Amino acid sequence: GAVVSQHPSWVICKSGTSVKIECRSLDFQATTMFWYRQFPKQSLMLMATSNEGSKATYEQGVEKDKFLINHASLTLSTLTVTSAHPEDSSFYICSAPHYNEQFFGPGTRLTVL
Amino acid sequence: DAKTTQPTSMDCAEGRAANLPCNHSTISGNEYVYWYRQIHSQGPQYIIHGLKNNETNEMASLIITEDRKSSTLILPHATLRDTAVYYCIVRSFGMTTDSWGKLQFGAGTQVVVTP
Repeated sequence: GAVVSQHPSWVICKSGTSVKIECRSLDFQATTMFWYRQFPKQSLMLMATSNEGSKATYEQGVEKDKFLINHASLTLSTLTVTSAHPEDSSFYICSAPHYNEQFFGPGTRLTVL
Repeated sequence: DAKTTQPTSMDCAEGRAANLPCNHSTISGNEYVYWYRQIHSQGPQYIIHGLKNNETNEMASLIITEDRKSSTLILPHATLRDTAVYYCIVRSFGMTTDSWGKLQFGAGTQVVVTP
């Protein structure tokens, strides 16, 4: 199947700093990618849809100025958590559709101290 | 997209078949049933999907009732590596990759396979 990678796999940062997470489709192109967040013992929550060449669309309740998404190419979407705080600590997962399937990255564990 | 209902947890003996039920009574005609699983601290893994016919692949079988209001995922010979949270998701059909409905995850079923 198709492969989606994420980088970094984990990151620890200080409160108030910004963190960028990359999501890449390795062997296919994706005009759309999705970003999810997962808190411990909870399910995945869809945060936003990343659209190549245009603005991302955010789910209700997700702050677009807090979670900046850039989809600059057909294989790369980035999520930047700006001015991160401890409550932003979570597992961030991206996915990309390929035909009628959707492939997920391995996730990025963010810990904000 | 229609919502789904799954049992919270399920235990299964290694080597036995695991039958995971899912209720999607409000599913509409253009919606598929998808199954994913998530092993702890990893990204979700696609298992199988179907519209109305039963489906089988190397991982599992999917049985969809004739009225499409429920389905069952069958892992034929469960192994310890099948321990994971299994998600049943209903997703609307699209003519292009970009127009497929979003995957919205419910709580899923925690499956524990024991020796």
